[in-house]
Amino acid sequence: QKEVEQNSGPLSVPEGAIASLNCTYSDRGSQSFFWYRQYSGKSPELIMFIYSNGDKEDGRFTAQLNKASQYVSLLIRDSQPSDSATYLCAVRRPGGGNKLTFGTGTQLKVEL
Amino acid sequence: KAGVTQTPRYLIKTRGQQVTLSCSPISGHRSVSWYQQTPGQGLQFLFEYFSETQRNKGNFPGRFSGRQFSNSRSEMNVSTLELGDSALYLCASSLAGRASETNEKLFFGSGTQLSVL
Repeated sequence: QKEVEQNSGPLSVPEGAIASLNCTYSDRGSQSFFWYRQYSGKSPELIMFIYSNGDKEDGRFTAQLNKASQYVSLLIRDSQPSDSATYLCAVRRPGGGNKLTFGTGTQLKVEL
Repeated sequence: KAGVTQTPRYLIKTRGQQVTLSCSPISGHRSVSWYQQTPGQGLQFLFEYFSETQRNKGNFPGRFSGRQFSNSRSEMNVSTLELGDSALYLCASSLAGRASETNEKLFFGSGTQLSVL
């Protein structure tokens, strides 16, 4: 079992729809959770960060964390073609400093 | 505020050579981490430096090493390059670097694309 699992996709959604990206993790002690967006040929860009159970909203993005079920999700409302990218989920363990464990990413395609 | 700066942007080396990559963190950030990204393995943690000390280390051979200077700038060195070392090497920085700090955010630089021929 991988430590952080994501569906590789591609996930295709029409413009204006809600894109839902999911991530599960194996270490129940994981404490912080990150969503990075990575365009082809570019470096990862932090778009959401969450460490408490529940929802966290920032503009069109909502991160949802459920530690009991060990999953974290990212919702993108009103999806735009510019959202087309690979979304990386990452987790941090207690005492791990900035050693993040990444999933392999989900490719999102927003179609006109 | 400038972001994380990595130099050079691209590097081409041959097997057996060594290479040094440089990273300047965001101003005020004290923790610098290095990651390797390949199509097959994704993003993998190499090591983290805080206050000039290596705090965490990933599962990479000893050919991969790094250091941090008093101004928080960091360098990563790879000796005896192998074809499999071809990858995007990413540097990331965070503000305080406290291991117990739950809400530390990590910001990446643009990376150095290393090609080993």
